[in-house]
Amino acid sequence: DVKVTQSSRYLVKRTGEKVFLECVQDMDHENMFWYRQDPGLGLRLIYFSYDVKMKEKGDIPEGYSVSREKKERFSLILESASTNQTSMYLCASSLLDLLAAELGTDTQYFGPGTRLTVL
Amino acid sequence: DQQVKQNSPSLSVQEGRISILNCDYTNSMFDYFLWYKKYPAEGPTFLISISSIKDKNEDGRFTVFLNKSAKHLSLHIVPSQPGDSAVYFCAASADGGADGLTFGKGTHLIIQP
Repeated sequence: DVKVTQSSRYLVKRTGEKVFLECVQDMDHENMFWYRQDPGLGLRLIYFSYDVKMKEKGDIPEGYSVSREKKERFSLILESASTNQTSMYLCASSLLDLLAAELGTDTQYFGPGTRLTVL
Repeated sequence: DQQVKQNSPSLSVQEGRISILNCDYTNSMFDYFLWYKKYPAEGPTFLISISSIKDKNEDGRFTVFLNKSAKHLSLHIVPSQPGDSAVYFCAASADGGADGLTFGKGTHLIIQP
């Protein structure tokens, strides 16, 4: 079974603090993703990475950065946390497998999420 | 601009009946569609997916139908069970999800005994 783990389930930080959210996957997947989930807005893509040291902006990258120094680890960084970044953060990983997509099999596996509260 | 739309925030269905969850999309480049199920305080779990080369995919009680001309897909759950009560997200991507998924806002399915 694919396992995606996130360093914390719950986190409380203060406005202006630097926050690190860590994600580790154990299936040697190339792609890793960070989403945030907010009520009424669904899941929105923040950043993704398709290789070590590579990163791409998603739909809502403002206020975030990421780091991928090792294949299994993808970190989301809030340089200066703000209250509007209070959210559930979800990490996901997948194979870069276009054949799997064509066959209709899943490609993304999610971690349990980190509920971040910024006071 | 919402590219994936789930227009029903919630749906209530009696146990044993069919649940039908709907999803519409606007981006004609999408070629891969997935449904995820999410319980509170947990990450989404994959349910079923379909690629644009098919119009139907079935897995046990779950069937996904894709109507490309209408840019519409639906998830059918039959028979519905109490454990199916959850939020269901429709997601779509181009290029097999390599650039991430675009999610709808979710539909909260409530199965009533």
